[in-house]
Amino acid sequence: AQRVTQPEKLLSVFKGAPVELKCNYSYSGSPELFWYVQYSRQRLQLLLRHISRESIKGFTADLNKGETSFHLKKPFAQEEDSAMYYCALSGARGTGFQKLVFGTGTRLLVSP
Amino acid sequence: GAVVSQHPSRVICKSGTSVKIECRSLDFQATTMFWYRQFPKKSLMLMATSNEGSKATYEQGVEKDKFLINHASLTLSTLTVTSAHPEDSSFYICSAGRDRGVHEQFFGPGTRLTVL
Repeated sequence: AQRVTQPEKLLSVFKGAPVELKCNYSYSGSPELFWYVQYSRQRLQLLLRHISRESIKGFTADLNKGETSFHLKKPFAQEEDSAMYYCALSGARGTGFQKLVFGTGTRLLVSP
Repeated sequence: GAVVSQHPSRVICKSGTSVKIECRSLDFQATTMFWYRQFPKKSLMLMATSNEGSKATYEQGVEKDKFLINHASLTLSTLTVTSAHPEDSSFYICSAGRDRGVHEQFFGPGTRLTVL
């Protein structure tokens, strides 16, 4: 079965510190991985996806198929990064698995 | 662009009544809409996928007769919780995609349903 695991419910760091939000997945096919973010009182929005290989708001994430991981990283956290972060998985385009499976989320709290 | 709205944002109803939640794509045509349910401090769980003009595909364990989904147009999908009971109380979120895949989904703000 498809599964996304985010082991940390809460990650608390100081401003300027590096951040790594962990995400591991279980999927037998070719995966597509996403990070979604939900700021306080706002809706869920896409932060980045692995196929884009881009950096958004200083965040990056690399898909490691060997370790089945898609950790989200930022070298220097900012207070405005405080939010709920969800890792999500779907099958690659053209596969039969066209739905998002979400992890349980990690709350990132960046203190001044 | 790519804004999705939901109405109502909050609803409180009595046990046994039915509640309809609307999901609209405001500035694009959504060929696919997804309905999720989120329990407190839990992840989003996909309930069903609906493609415009066809029947919704429900996830395992989701009662079709309980959660009626209609996607009659490219900008509107509705979720009706029939004969609601307290255990149906939850946060319901819709998302809309421009193609028939999941790879570009835009989420609504969610609807908080409380059944007394």
